[in-house]
Amino acid sequence: AQSVTQPDIHITVSEGASLELRCNYSYGATPYLFWYVQSPGQGLQLLLKYFSGDTLVQGIKGFEAEFKRSQSSFNLRKPSVHWSDAAEYFCAVGGLTGGGNKLTFGTGTQLKVEL
Amino acid sequence: NAGVTQTPKFQVLKTGQSMTLQCAQDMNHNSMYWYRQDPGMGLRLIYYSASEGTTDKGEVPNGYNVSRLNKREFSLRLESAAPSQTSVYFCASSPTRSAEAFFGQGTRLTVV
Repeated sequence: AQSVTQPDIHITVSEGASLELRCNYSYGATPYLFWYVQSPGQGLQLLLKYFSGDTLVQGIKGFEAEFKRSQSSFNLRKPSVHWSDAAEYFCAVGGLTGGGNKLTFGTGTQLKVEL
Repeated sequence: NAGVTQTPKFQVLKTGQSMTLQCAQDMNHNSMYWYRQDPGMGLRLIYYSASEGTTDKGEVPNGYNVSRLNKREFSLRLESAAPSQTSVYFCASSPTRSAEAFFGQGTRLTVV
């Protein structure tokens, strides 16, 4: 069965500092990996995705993530955090059972940004 | 460009009442999904529809039913609501087997 682990429930960083959010996955084949962001009271917005190819993927809002097969990880990074980045971040792995892209989500990491 | 539209946005039900959550997408996507989000548990898949005319159970289907009315619409029904179904419900759609999902704004449901 596919699964995602986000070991950090809460992270606090200062504005301008670098950020890394951790994500580990379990999946029996080549995974499709995603990072989503959710602002309070809002739906989920896709930050970036990995399907194949270059293991370093760029996303919106200056985020990037690196796929490391040997570590089963897909960590999200940003060089300099802005106050508007405060939100909840979800890592997800996709599976193609039954023809649909069934996403399995991690439990999320709540990011707080100190000014 | 509306994307994925869910109605209603908020709902309060009494235990035992029934209701249907509506979802429609205007992106011509084949696959549609219903998730529920609970604190500390991320999003869990309730049901999905890989294509028009098909539906399958996800991780937490008990207490729910779905209907894929046509390619655009995918509804979620609670026949007899229970307090354990208090949650935020998200509908999503995706265009192909390997593409990302696009989410609606959610329905916040409280069962008292």
